[in-house]
Amino acid sequence: GENVEQHPSTLSVQEGDSAVIKCTYSDSASNYFPWYKQELGKRPQLIIDIRSNVGEKKDQRIAVTLNKTAKHFSLHITETQPEDSAVYFCAASERNTGFQKLVFGTGTRLLVSP
Amino acid sequence: NAGVTQNPKFQVLKTGQSMTLQCAQDMNHNSMYWYRQDPGMGLRLIYYSASEGTTDKGEVPNGYNVSRLNKREFSLRLESAAPSQTSVYFCATQLSIEDTEAFFGQGTRLTVV
Repeated sequence: GENVEQHPSTLSVQEGDSAVIKCTYSDSASNYFPWYKQELGKRPQLIIDIRSNVGEKKDQRIAVTLNKTAKHFSLHITETQPEDSAVYFCAASERNTGFQKLVFGTGTRLLVSP
Repeated sequence: NAGVTQNPKFQVLKTGQSMTLQCAQDMNHNSMYWYRQDPGMGLRLIYYSASEGTTDKGEVPNGYNVSRLNKREFSLRLESAAPSQTSVYFCATQLSIEDTEAFFGQGTRLTVV
């Protein structure tokens, strides 16, 4: 089955800096890669996703890149703000007879200091 | 639209007790999932239901059972709770077949003493 590794486990940046979180996956058949943000005590929520036919996707200060050959994808946050502080999870889809299951990374705790 | 609703939000159990975690969705999604979240381990899939009437084991199913009561409801049962089941439990839904967004409930924080 699919295995997703995520690094780093914690990341501290100053407000205004950029933050990069990296994930690798094992199953070359996976073709959908979402990122979720979880604020303290809250539920995970989708912030951006990318499909395997696209190399990069942007949404304001957030971007995701995908390298299918190397089987890794990354989340880039520019001009970080204190409200970006949260735990971020990457995930990869695992296909099972046409049904999709998400396999999550272990999470990155991002702390943005003012 | 409530989205995905879980009950209860908090629960303390004694070792050996049983309980059922409830999940209901009003999004008309076919697929429902139960995850547990432990520090440093991310979200791990316990059981899932691709559609009404079907359930399958995920990554960590031992000690749990599930019921897909109808399209809206998917419950998780702990028959004999153990301290290792202390965790935060999340229910989630997705449209099946296509790769789409997962919508999570607000979570249930369970402590087994």
